[in-house]
Amino acid sequence: NAGVTQTPKFRVLKTGQSMTLLCAQDMNHEYMYWYRQDPGMGLRLIHYSVGEGTTAKGEVPDGYNVSRLKKQNFLLGLESAAPSQTSVYFCASSYPGQRSDEQYFGPGTRLTVT
Amino acid sequence: GEDVEQSLFLSVREGDSSVINCTYTDSSSTYLYWYKQEPGAGLQLLTYIFSNMDMKQDQRLTVLLNKKDKHLSLRIADTQTGDSAIYFCAESIRYSSASKIIFGSGTRLSIRP
Repeated sequence: NAGVTQTPKFRVLKTGQSMTLLCAQDMNHEYMYWYRQDPGMGLRLIHYSVGEGTTAKGEVPDGYNVSRLKKQNFLLGLESAAPSQTSVYFCASSYPGQRSDEQYFGPGTRLTVT
Repeated sequence: GEDVEQSLFLSVREGDSSVINCTYTDSSSTYLYWYKQEPGAGLQLLTYIFSNMDMKQDQRLTVLLNKKDKHLSLRIADTQTGDSAIYFCAESIRYSSASKIIFGSGTRLSIRP
């Protein structure tokens, strides 16, 4: 059981470039989430999904798009990267009705936009 | 509104107890959590407490919840160097078809010899 994995671990982009971050989970979880972590600001929710084929906006969705074509994968896309998107991105997943509403986190992707 | 606040830094001597405090604003939270993040790693759930409880103990960890004051604390007894990490307080709020977790900004715990 790998849990939640993220690809890539690190990436450097130039302003205006695009990229896709991949999150995969093997726990058959229905819900998946993308967060960004910035110094002194905790984690902020970008987008989330409550099931295959569905996505919804979180707290800071602007500049990002997501897709959930398969239950086990949740993709985060940056169409035109900006320096303000330099951050560490975490994916998480959870199972509805689980006792503690616990979310399981991936190891993170560190993205730098120059 | 939904907000979780905690102090940014805490330094304790090895062997002493660490107490990390957190306040939150949303009274409809169902669960409150403490997550631990070690350098270069993701967040790992350390412990959680259901909102109708006021205390939970798990080995060296004690969580206290004061719902009236919306205050949550994490006490780590006999703090060790391996406890050095960032600790995030978080609350879970149920809405529509999913739960939303609101995180504090994290408290960096450093241990001095």
